Amino acid sequence: QITLKESGPTLVKPTQTLTLTCTFSGFSLSTSGVGVGWIRQPPGKAVEWLAVIYWNDNKRYSPSLKSRLTITKDTSKNQVVLTMTNMDPVDTATYFCAHRRGATDTGGNFDYWGQGTLVTVSS
Amino acid sequence: QSVLTQPPSVSGAPGQRVTISCTGSNSNIGTNYDVHWYQHLPGTAPKLLIYGNNRPSGVPDRFSGSKSGTSSSLAITGLQAEDEADYYCQSYDISLSGYVFGTGTKVTVL
Repeated sequence: QITLKESGPTLVKPTQTLTLTCTFSGFSLSTSGVGVGWIRQPPGKAVEWLAVIYWNDNKRYSPSLKSRLTITKDTSKNQVVLTMTNMDPVDTATYFCAHRRGATDTGGNFDYWGQGTLVTVSS
Repeated sequence: QSVLTQPPSVSGAPGQRVTISCTGSNSNIGTNYDVHWYQHLPGTAPKLLIYGNNRPSGVPDRFSGSKSGTSSSLAITGLQAEDEADYYCQSYDISLSGYVFGTGTKVTVL
C-alpha cells in the first residue's frame, strides 16, 4: 500500500524559504521508473506541477519556478524534500506530493497523492 | 499558466453523458506521451481516474478517456451525484521537459 504525507510549516513570511518534506511508504525511490513529484493548488485555482525527482536522481522543474526550487531525496529515509525560496503571498497554496509511475524519467502519471498541506504566505 | 485548456464547467442530469475536452499542442498531447485524468474533490487528494486509455482498479467503467491529435477527452456516462467534482487532464511536455496539467473542469450534476 502506497502512502505519502506532506509536512512543513503552515505559515511563512514573504521572502522566506519554504521547506516541505514528503514522507512515503509502500515503494522505494531506488526502484527503476519511480519518481516523486510536487504539485500545488492555490485557493480556487487549478493544480500546478512544480518538480519531480526520479529513482536515478534526475530532476525536472517547472520552467516558471525553476530558479526558486530545489528537490532532493533521501532514499534511506523514504523522504523527498522540496525547497522554494523567496516566498510570496501568491505562493499560498495547498502543496501535494505524489508518486509518479512511468517507465523512464519522462512522461508517466501521478497515481498516489498525499492529502496535501496548506501553506500560507503572509507577514 | 496551464498549457492544457479545459472548459471551466460542464453539467448534466443524472444518467446523462458528459464529456470534458483537454486541448494541448504538438509538444504535449500531440506527442507519444499519454494523457491522464484526475478527479478532485475539495479538501481531498486528487485521484487518478484514467491513465492513457486505462482505468485503475476500482474506477467504474462509466469513465473513459480518448485522444486525437492535440486533444483529449474524458467521457462520463450514466452521470451520478457522486461524480460532482473537479477534473484535470495531465500530460508531459517535451518543450518544457516537464509535466503539464489542464485548467480544470468543474462537473455539476443537476
